[in-house]
Amino acid sequence: SAVISQKPSRDICQRGTSLTIQCQVDSQVTMMFWYRQQPGQSLTLIATANQGSEATYESGFVIDKFPISRPNLTFSTLTVSNMSPEDSSIYLCSVRDRLTSSYNEQFFGPGTRLTVL
Amino acid sequence: AQSVTQLGSHVSVSEGALVLLRCNYSSSVPPYLFWYVQYPNQGLQLLLKYTSAATLVKGINGFEAEFKKSETSFHLTKPSAHMSDAAEYFCAVSERSGNEKLTFGTGTRLTIIP
Repeated sequence: SAVISQKPSRDICQRGTSLTIQCQVDSQVTMMFWYRQQPGQSLTLIATANQGSEATYESGFVIDKFPISRPNLTFSTLTVSNMSPEDSSIYLCSVRDRLTSSYNEQFFGPGTRLTVL
Repeated sequence: AQSVTQLGSHVSVSEGALVLLRCNYSSSVPPYLFWYVQYPNQGLQLLLKYTSAATLVKGINGFEAEFKKSETSFHLTKPSAHMSDAAEYFCAVSERSGNEKLTFGTGTRLTIIP
């Protein structure tokens, strides 16, 4: 499976600021996703990052708050904008490659642990 | 809409005892099903997946899961728990066609008692 890295691994930020999280894959993949995992909770899909076009957001998530870029098939960024303490979560990047699997499984990065003060 | 339910947010077993983590799905047709494990301060790792090739699926680290259509279940088991199995376990479901997204259960935290 693909090797996925995320930067930063963790950060502590002040409210009102923004943080950009990077996700890098060691091979080209067709699909990339961003999830949020709030403390003690399960994973919630934020959006599907589309290469060369605007991301597809899930209900409850908007582009102004979580702008996403995907300039190529190995890299994506998620920005958490105008942060508040409620944004304190683990943010996870995942990938799926349609060319190597037909079963929709996703592989996850190590996550970025964000604390907003 | 498809969904998964994990019974028991916390499960404790003694080292060497059987591990049983429960997952039930809701879907009009048998979906793809997955179990993921999350160790502290790490991302999710795929343990195993059900794709319909076989109802008993073997995964990594000695885990296996059995798909039972009549019970709409996909419970995860391991015959003998090890201390290193302590982690959070997530069941996830995906449609076979069209929507490729994963929907996750609420997770079960497994504690191993020495």
